[in-house]
Amino acid sequence: IAGITQAPTSQILAAGRRMTLRCTQDMRHNAMYWYRQDLGLGLRLIHYSNTAGTTGKGEVPDGYSVSRANTDDFPLTLASAVPSQTSVYFCASSVRPAGAYNEQFFGPGTRLTVL
Amino acid sequence: GQQVMQIPQYQHVQEGEDFTTYCNSSTTLSNIQWYKQRPGGHPVFLIQLVKSGEVKKQKRLTFQFGEAKKNSSLHITATQTTDVGTYFCAGGTDTDKLIFGTGTRLQVFP
Repeated sequence: IAGITQAPTSQILAAGRRMTLRCTQDMRHNAMYWYRQDLGLGLRLIHYSNTAGTTGKGEVPDGYSVSRANTDDFPLTLASAVPSQTSVYFCASSVRPAGAYNEQFFGPGTRLTVL
Repeated sequence: GQQVMQIPQYQHVQEGEDFTTYCNSSTTLSNIQWYKQRPGGHPVFLIQLVKSGEVKKQKRLTFQFGEAKKNSSLHITATQTTDVGTYFCAGGTDTDKLIFGTGTRLQVFP
């Protein structure tokens, strides 16, 4: 693999179900991010991790959790999905924390629909 | 909290016309990055500006960072159909995170 991969590509989920979106990068980047993209609202940061073993809350963290057990993987979990979590989810990574002058590399995205 | 707004939200142009999108922050930014997202695709990094008043060019694209480091613009000269997509600015903050703008969707008619 090269870059960032996300799985699944798309998913339709019943409300109340638990779901984990997977993200893997092979660039050995320290920082990783989860964004959701909704029409008219741009990209909003859900959670981030500046280095393996640490995580932080972004702009819209409620209803989501993350873990960073190693450098490569950064899964995003919806404990009990709700329709307002219908969105396109992008995982991204950067060599160091993005605000510190580092570009972000994005995965292909996961389109999630919660019914 | 910190916000980064972009205008316009949508822009339709005839091929060959110029296009500009503007990005405004409520607070001073450490740097500004620009990304392009093709329809159905993911954001791709275009450029980063760091210095006050900085101007950078990439072929037909001109990027500017304001003197107060609170605003930025992207200007495309003589648009082509390949320019279609959504353009996002993203401002670096003192908390080491990027705040993305709301994006401008560009449609180019041949």
